[in-house]
Amino acid sequence: GAVVSQHPSWVICKSGTSVKIECRSLDFQATTMFWYRQFPKQSLMLMATSNEGSKATYEQGVEKDKFLINHASLTLSTLTVTSAHPEDSSFYICSAVTLSGGRGPLHFGNGTRLTVT
Amino acid sequence: DQQVKQNSPSLSVQEGRISILNCDYTNSMFDYFLWYKKYPAEGPTFLISISSIKDKNEDGRFTVFLNKSAKHLSLHIVPSQPGDSAVYFCAASAGFGNEKLTFGTGTRLTIIP
Repeated sequence: GAVVSQHPSWVICKSGTSVKIECRSLDFQATTMFWYRQFPKQSLMLMATSNEGSKATYEQGVEKDKFLINHASLTLSTLTVTSAHPEDSSFYICSAVTLSGGRGPLHFGNGTRLTVT
Repeated sequence: DQQVKQNSPSLSVQEGRISILNCDYTNSMFDYFLWYKKYPAEGPTFLISISSIKDKNEDGRFTVFLNKSAKHLSLHIVPSQPGDSAVYFCAASAGFGNEKLTFGTGTRLTIIP
């Protein structure tokens, strides 16, 4: 089945530094990838839609200058949390759809636990 | 504005019995619904989906029921197994070709051996 790999699985960084999270589709080409964020005991909240070769589309309330998304190839999207602060600590999950434009389910990476100290 | 709601944050079911997880939605534009299973510190795993043109979809031990008039869907797991213990999320999307999902708040299912 479709596999989405996310790296790193966890990261601890100091306040003010930047952190990059990678999301790769291992056995399929993903023209569209999605980035979600989950706070403890809450739902997954869509942050942005990442399209290969074009600018990401951010959801309302998500700072595009803080959460930089790059989708340079059909198999890789990256999320960079810039100038991280403790309130950015969260679980970040990427996903990709195998049937772009269809109704295929999203396949998710295993997530990245970010802790900002 | 929580457009997809799972009103039961937790549910405990005896092994072998039926688990029923419920989900309500408010956006009448939603026409495709999915259920995901999630373990701690992992991404969600797709379980089953249903289009709004159907009212039931079955896959092994998992059956999803959709009541469009009530804007309600449910996931039935039978028989329940210890490995089913996890958090279950329902999700919805609107419009063919729109892969953006809106997730519910999740229900933690615990199967009691």
